[in-house]
Amino acid sequence: DGGITQSPKYLFRKEGQNVTLSCEQNLNHDAMYWYRQDPGQGLRLIYYSQIVNDFQKGDIAEGYSVSREKKESFPLTVTSAQKNPTAFYLCASSYRGGAEAFFGQGTRLTVV
Amino acid sequence: AQSVTQPDIHITVSEGASLELRCNYSYGATPYLFWYVQSPGQGLQLLLKYFSGDTLVQGIKGFEAEFKRSQSSFNLRKPSVHWSDAAEYFCAVGPLGSSSNTGKLIFGQGTTLQVKP
Repeated sequence: DGGITQSPKYLFRKEGQNVTLSCEQNLNHDAMYWYRQDPGQGLRLIYYSQIVNDFQKGDIAEGYSVSREKKESFPLTVTSAQKNPTAFYLCASSYRGGAEAFFGQGTRLTVV
Repeated sequence: AQSVTQPDIHITVSEGASLELRCNYSYGATPYLFWYVQSPGQGLQLLLKYFSGDTLVQGIKGFEAEFKRSQSSFNLRKPSVHWSDAAEYFCAVGPLGSSSNTGKLIFGQGTTLQVKP
């Protein structure tokens, strides 16, 4: 079945460590996105990529990095520079130029 | 600035009662409009979308939404709520298709729906 797979579902890290969240899609979508969700704040865009080897910052990119070496994959690294990394992270994808996004099941990151 | 407002943070309705969740947006032109639903700890599922045409849009699970350009609103409705509808609902808007279209979505803060037996 086609879809978006995020792993792991839960992730715990010590403060000061970098951590990478995985996102893979087999929908043949060109565009992929990372959103951060905090209670009462909706979803905020971290990074997005319209094509392979190209990506742009979203509204809250500071402390995060991404790569897009393959069409199917868009990993997100939460670096030690991110001041408040504990959150629920959602990956999404869509056809290039399209607005309808399909979402993965999310990764809950807890930094202690 | 582009924005989406969901005025109701939390709504409680009785099972079988009707439901309306409000969504207002600020945008330079007619955007693409969406409603998503999220169960606890899960991703987002698309309920319905409006791109153009008929302003009353039908979605999954018996939901519908009406686009009102004059009010910059896209309210979600359901005639009879089921206990399984308890979840968080997000309204979102996206830019028009163009060479500069990024496909980015702007989300409202969400409305949590509680259903009483």
